[in-house]
Amino acid sequence: AQTVTQSQPEMSVQEAETVTLSCTYDTSESDYYLFWYKQPPSRQMILVIRQEAYKQQNATENRFSVNFQKAAKSFSLKISDSQLGDAAMYFCAYRSGETSGSRLTFGEGTQLTVNP
Amino acid sequence: DADVTQTPRNRITKTGKRIMLECSQTKGHDRMYWYRQDPGLGLQLIYYSFDVKDINKGEISDGYSVSRQAQAKFSLSLESAIPNQTALYFCATSDSGQVKWQPQHFGDGTRLSIL
Repeated sequence: AQTVTQSQPEMSVQEAETVTLSCTYDTSESDYYLFWYKQPPSRQMILVIRQEAYKQQNATENRFSVNFQKAAKSFSLKISDSQLGDAAMYFCAYRSGETSGSRLTFGEGTQLTVNP
Repeated sequence: DADVTQTPRNRITKTGKRIMLECSQTKGHDRMYWYRQDPGLGLQLIYYSFDVKDINKGEISDGYSVSRQAQAKFSLSLESAIPNQTALYFCATSDSGQVKWQPQHFGDGTRLSIL
């Protein structure tokens, strides 16, 4: 079974600074997909960024980028120029590309605080 | 209007009561999921359904049951609620016809408190 670990329960960053959230995962599969979801206080689950395991290039979405290290099974999220609206719980998630279904396995989450 | 609608948004009830959480979607997706969120544990899969006649247990199905009444509707039941089922519950959908990297789409969650 796959597992996802987020070792930082809480992180804080100053507004306009850069912060990196860590995620590691364990799998024996070669075909899979990784996601970062954001959960603000409104408790919506909002997709931030996604990465296909077969792609070597790191995904980027505006101020959000990932550092995908397949051999190390690491998938960290970098938030540049942090804004107050980035304050939220962030979840890393894994989806198998091989086994049936499209179920997600989530990490424990990292609570990000942005200080003005 | 939201694509994935969960009702109720919040619910407080007593131990031993039967509770149903409902989820409906207008996205036309064939796959639906129920997750439970607890502090420090992330989201855990309770049940998932690939179509009306295909329902599967997830990681933490004990104490829960589901019904897929139609492609657009997937309900979660707690037959006899207990306090440790107090949590935030999410419904999600996805489309088997889409490419694999398409994300799941989540409802806004139901916060359930069992006294």
